[in-house]
Amino acid sequence: DIQMTQSPSSLSASVGDTVTITCRATQYINSYLHWYQQNPGKAPKHLIYGSSSLQSGVPSRFSGSGSGTDFTLTISSLQPEDFATYYCQQSYTTPFTFGPGTKVDIK
Amino acid sequence: QVQLQESGPGLVKPSETLSLNCTVSGASIIGPYWNWIRQPPGKGLEWIGYFYYSGTIKYNPSLKSRVTISGDTSKNYFSLKMRSVTAADTAIYYCARGDPRHNWSHPWGQGTLVTVSS
Repeated sequence: DIQMTQSPSSLSASVGDTVTITCRATQYINSYLHWYQQNPGKAPKHLIYGSSSLQSGVPSRFSGSGSGTDFTLTISSLQPEDFATYYCQQSYTTPFTFGPGTKVDIK
Repeated sequence: QVQLQESGPGLVKPSETLSLNCTVSGASIIGPYWNWIRQPPGKGLEWIGYFYYSGTIKYNPSLKSRVTISGDTSKNYFSLKMRSVTAADTAIYYCARGDPRHNWSHPWGQGTLVTVSS
């Protein structure tokens, strides 16, 4: 199985900050990397597909990059609704696997 | 717009079978992938498997021996059955549409908590 790691596991930030989350795969996954946001008690919400393409309706302050094994999610000008847990997921090969999550909370 | 709704018992006894349905509205289940994903309380996400209308079904090998995923294109829903459950199977179970291109999950159902307990 392809293992996904994320760093940091948690971070504290303020409204207006820019944060970057890193996701790494143990094997090559091309650009088959997707990002999700989950608020407490809610289902995950899809943000980015194919490493860098924004899901329709997702604010442009979210951006993604990377290919191969190393990927990043950047949130520019953090808003109050962005304080959540973020997961990366690979769909290059089954079993699809998720990263352990990065919790973004308010400083 | 596509909407998914999980349904099934919220409490299952150890060693019994967990059965969930996912009803899809706003789209046909013919075309995309249809995923089952679970999340133990306070923990991360685990992909269980997917159904594709052609009959292709993929499972997570860690669960494959206990899981069956199926779909009914005439009634537009798909299902999950997990046999011989234990407390470790207690989780929120989500169904989600998988995009036909690279199978990212969007949208997701609201999730249903299944507790395994006697």
